[in-house]
Amino acid sequence: GESVGLHLPTLSVQEGDNSIINCAYSNSASDYFIWYKQESGKGPQFIIDIRSNMDKRQGQRVTVLLNKTVKHLSLQIAATQPGDSAVYFCAELAGTALIFGKGTTLSVSS
Amino acid sequence: DGGITQSPKYLFRKEGQNVTLSCEQNLNHDAMYWYRQDPGQGLRLIYYSQIVNDFQKGDIAEGYSVSREKKESFPLTVTSAQKNPTAFYLCASSRALAGPRNEQFFGPGTRLTVL
Repeated sequence: GESVGLHLPTLSVQEGDNSIINCAYSNSASDYFIWYKQESGKGPQFIIDIRSNMDKRQGQRVTVLLNKTVKHLSLQIAATQPGDSAVYFCAELAGTALIFGKGTTLSVSS
Repeated sequence: DGGITQSPKYLFRKEGQNVTLSCEQNLNHDAMYWYRQDPGQGLRLIYYSQIVNDFQKGDIAEGYSVSREKKESFPLTVTSAQKNPTAFYLCASSRALAGPRNEQFFGPGTRLTVL
């Protein structure tokens, strides 16, 4: 079964707000995590990744935080835009396979 | 979609028929994967291949078969033994199978509907 999950299936925000999408994982041996964005009818796209020896990693408008103590991963999107509307998946590398969570649907209203 | 193509985008099949989904990549990646995605669900691994002429079962391989005769190609056959084949199928590839920075690039997907 899946060891990665997200706390909320949906998240609605206003344009310009900051968004926080959460993910919990159960495999303490996982050492690599990825966030993917999937737009409707398309394949997932890589957003940002983080290794277990890091607590935080920043990209363009996105930040991933990793709390290994409570096995929690979050994706922060600054100044959310309508184009950010999509399903967001976290994934953990467990051995040789990526395990995906169920996804959070982010809806951004103008 | 990172140099990975899947065809067709939409596929319809009658019950009892086998159907093959195409996946091609020009990224020179060694590893390739097939996932199944159902509404409201995450991706579930069907099969993966680390190298040409080698492939391994994923979590839900029953009713599916694959081949890896060429590095660029990893076709998936959905057989009549698959009891609930209607789903969105995603192909992915990565430079290597294991290790950090093992970013998987995904194709655009094929939506299979069984009539």
